[in-house]
Amino acid sequence: EDKVVQSPLSLVVHEGDTVTLNCSYEVTNFRSLLWYKQEKKAPTFLFMLTSSGIEKKSGRLSSILDKKELFSILNITATQTGDSAVYLCAVGGGAQKLVFGQGTRLTINP
Amino acid sequence: EAQVTQNPRYLITVTGKKLTVTCSQNMNHEYMSWYRQDPGLGLRQIYYSMNVEVTDKGDVPEGYKVSRKEKRNFPLILESPSPNQTSLYFCASSFYSGANVLTFGAGSRLTVL
Repeated sequence: EDKVVQSPLSLVVHEGDTVTLNCSYEVTNFRSLLWYKQEKKAPTFLFMLTSSGIEKKSGRLSSILDKKELFSILNITATQTGDSAVYLCAVGGGAQKLVFGQGTRLTINP
Repeated sequence: EAQVTQNPRYLITVTGKKLTVTCSQNMNHEYMSWYRQDPGLGLRQIYYSMNVEVTDKGDVPEGYKVSRKEKRNFPLILESPSPNQTSLYFCASSFYSGANVLTFGAGSRLTVL
């Protein structure tokens, strides 16, 4: 059975800290790994990774995929209160679907 | 504006009363999907559709029906809702397949008493 596991499930840090969120997966016929940010409503897209070892970067956020070890990390540097959200990892595989992890709830305290 | 529109956004209903949650996208996407989100369980796929008249079950299809008569619309039907279907529902779409970037609707919070 396809599985995506995120850790930690919850994280509380102070503004300015750097955080690393983890996502490991076991998915048949891997095609892609996606990160989404969810604040109180619909998930919004952050990154899509398909190749191992290539970092995707957007401002203070970055992500990298390791297809050999079957995991990805999402880094956020110099965190701000606006980064508080649930971060979702999803993996696209066979059967035309995305399998989502449980999410990591990140809280940034001022 | 490119978007996925769901209605209703909030609904409280009673056990057994049929309801439909509508979903419409204006991006000419071929792939559409329904998810439910429950605390601690993440997003779980209910049904998906690769194109008009092509639908298939996701991980948790029991108690739900869907149809795809037009490319832009993908309604979710609860024929006889039960309390365990109380959840937050998201419709999503993408160009070609579920492994691509999904655009999500704003969500529909359903409570079944």
